[in-house]
Amino acid sequence: DAKTTQPNSMESNEEEPVHLPCNHSTISGTDYIHWYRQLPSQGPEYVIHGLTSNVNNRMASLAIAEDRKSSTLILHRATLRDAAVYYCILRDLNDMRFGAGTRLTVKP
Amino acid sequence: DTGVSQDPRHKITKRGQNVTFRCDPISEHNRLYWYRQTLGQGPEFLTYFQNEAQLEKSRLLSDRFSAERPKGSFSTLEIQRTEQGDSAMYLCASSFGQTNTDTQYFGPGTRLTVL
Repeated sequence: DAKTTQPNSMESNEEEPVHLPCNHSTISGTDYIHWYRQLPSQGPEYVIHGLTSNVNNRMASLAIAEDRKSSTLILHRATLRDAAVYYCILRDLNDMRFGAGTRLTVKP
Repeated sequence: DTGVSQDPRHKITKRGQNVTFRCDPISEHNRLYWYRQTLGQGPEFLTYFQNEAQLEKSRLLSDRFSAERPKGSFSTLEIQRTEQGDSAMYLCASSFGQTNTDTQYFGPGTRLTVL
């Protein structure tokens, strides 16, 4: 199974951009890169996904390396409500396999 | 609220007892997933259904675990002869689609404590 590697934790200041990295050197050509986040005491929620091109939505941006072996989730202006565990996932057809994720702390 | 709902939210049971959890997906979602999450870890995939068919089961799903989704609507996850190691949060998610791009919507989970 393709795996992802993320830092255990990161800190950010409120209203500053945050770049959350993810390495996935064993990604296959058909794997999509998904990001979910889990706020305290809640189930995970979808953030963004992409295949090859960079993607933007109202929550975040996803920058995918040209060789697809790494990606970066970008929160343009972190708020206190963005404090969560962020999971980078390689998605095949049948399931999603989560790693331990990156715990993001946002300081006021 | 039309999100994914799970019942009960909390369950405390004694070792050796059977427990059953229910998940009601978002209406019209054809896929339903079960995950287990222990403290400090990401969710672990257990199984998933496309409509009423159970298409994949993780090796984590021992013979004490069984899941059903009658008529492709709600789903139940049963654990027989519970063990202390079964203590975890059990998450359900649903999605609409047949590809690896569909968005999964998660419920709030059922927290199981086995004494």
